[in-house]
Amino acid sequence: NAGVTQTPKFQVLKTGQSMTLQCAQDMNHEYMSWYRQDPGMGLRLIHYSVGAGITDQGEVPNGYNVSRSTTEDFPLRLLSAAPSQTSVYFCASSYALDSQETQYFGPGTRLLVL
Amino acid sequence: GENVEQHPSTLSVQEGDSAVIKCTYSDSASNYFPWYKQELGKGPQLIIDIRSNVGEKKDQRIAVTLNKTAKHFSLHITETQPEDSAVYFCAAPRDTGGFKTIFGAGTRLFVKA
Repeated sequence: NAGVTQTPKFQVLKTGQSMTLQCAQDMNHEYMSWYRQDPGMGLRLIHYSVGAGITDQGEVPNGYNVSRSTTEDFPLRLLSAAPSQTSVYFCASSYALDSQETQYFGPGTRLLVL
Repeated sequence: GENVEQHPSTLSVQEGDSAVIKCTYSDSASNYFPWYKQELGKGPQLIIDIRSNVGEKKDQRIAVTLNKTAKHFSLHITETQPEDSAVYFCAAPRDTGGFKTIFGAGTRLFVKA
């Protein structure tokens, strides 16, 4: 199993550009989530999904969209990038349909918005 | 809402010494408390977890203790080694109003050889 994979590893954007961060898992997990990691702030939940076709907002959803058309994939879209979105983004998945189980994290995407 | 506070933010120990990291949470309904280790350039990885029906869990050199009354749990690493140097995160779930895990701000552990 590849586990949780994320692409790209690094990305530089200009303010106002859009992009999609890709996330895929091959563990047949129903629960998937996106976090951003900023210095001194830990991991903050952006959006999550409990299955295909079902998504919900986390702590910091503004400026981001998600969709879940398949169990395997959970892309994160930045519609109009802003410097405040410079961060490291992690995708995670879990076999449980709640937050009471281990989350498996991808390697992260480092995003710089100029 | 749910809040998880983690202390200290930075911890430096000598190789062979013990390290303790503490977290407090606010949601009394939380009943699953994982600890994640993040090495440089990688995603967090679970190292140990505890559920509310036990007070302590041990796995070789690492242990986690839980005090539900006081709403705090701690990570203990004994006989620290240089490879223990990393950022450690505690977390607590919040399943009211959605299925969410709230993470602490992290503790950067340095183990000096």
